[in-house]
Amino acid sequence: EVKLVESGGGLVKPGGSLKLSCAASGFTFSSYAMSWVRQTPEKRLEWVASISSGGSTYYPDSVKGRFTISRDNARNILYLQMSSLRSEDTAMYYCARGYYYFDVWGAGTTVTVSS
Amino acid sequence: QIVLTQSPAIMSASLGEEITLTCSASSSVSYMHWYQQKSGTSPKLLIYSTSNLASGVPSRFSGSGSGTFYSLTISSVEAEDAADYYCHQWSSYPTFGGGTKLEIK
Repeated sequence: EVKLVESGGGLVKPGGSLKLSCAASGFTFSSYAMSWVRQTPEKRLEWVASISSGGSTYYPDSVKGRFTISRDNARNILYLQMSSLRSEDTAMYYCARGYYYFDVWGAGTTVTVSS
Repeated sequence: QIVLTQSPAIMSASLGEEITLTCSASSSVSYMHWYQQKSGTSPKLLIYSTSNLASGVPSRFSGSGSGTFYSLTISSVEAEDAADYYCHQWSSYPTFGGGTKLEIK
């Protein structure tokens, strides 16, 4: 069974940092591009970051320079290092397989940025 | 970035009815993808590259469109189709529509 399981979410103060993880199973992780997508409390979906199978990374301007996506192909884990967090980063963060479209999603992990 | 506008925001449909949800792009896009999100769950890929049914998706779902106008059709609505539906494009920068909430009468 293809599965993605996120972890690492929580409550963090503005300006703080958090690192999310996504454990992948049931497919050849190293062969796929992977992404992070977030859903705000208003239910808006936003693309956060993507990493190709070869390790190239892509970000929207809203998180560029603050977030870093990475992957450990030996352990089948996707990461999202988030720093300088802002209240507007509060959301459910989903790990998703793919780049041009997302065909597998995890259940998500909640990040709340608040003082 | 390309803005996707979905309409209607809320749709109420009867069982067995055929419905069409639309997604309008602020600039021309090559493909549109559609996701279904049921309450309390993560989004699920429904249609990719405008008209291709994702694995396991019932054939009552179909997608079409080109340029700046795309649509998702459910040929005969079932109770289990109650959900939020989102369109998504990836031309130069991935963006999502604001969603359509489908309610079953």
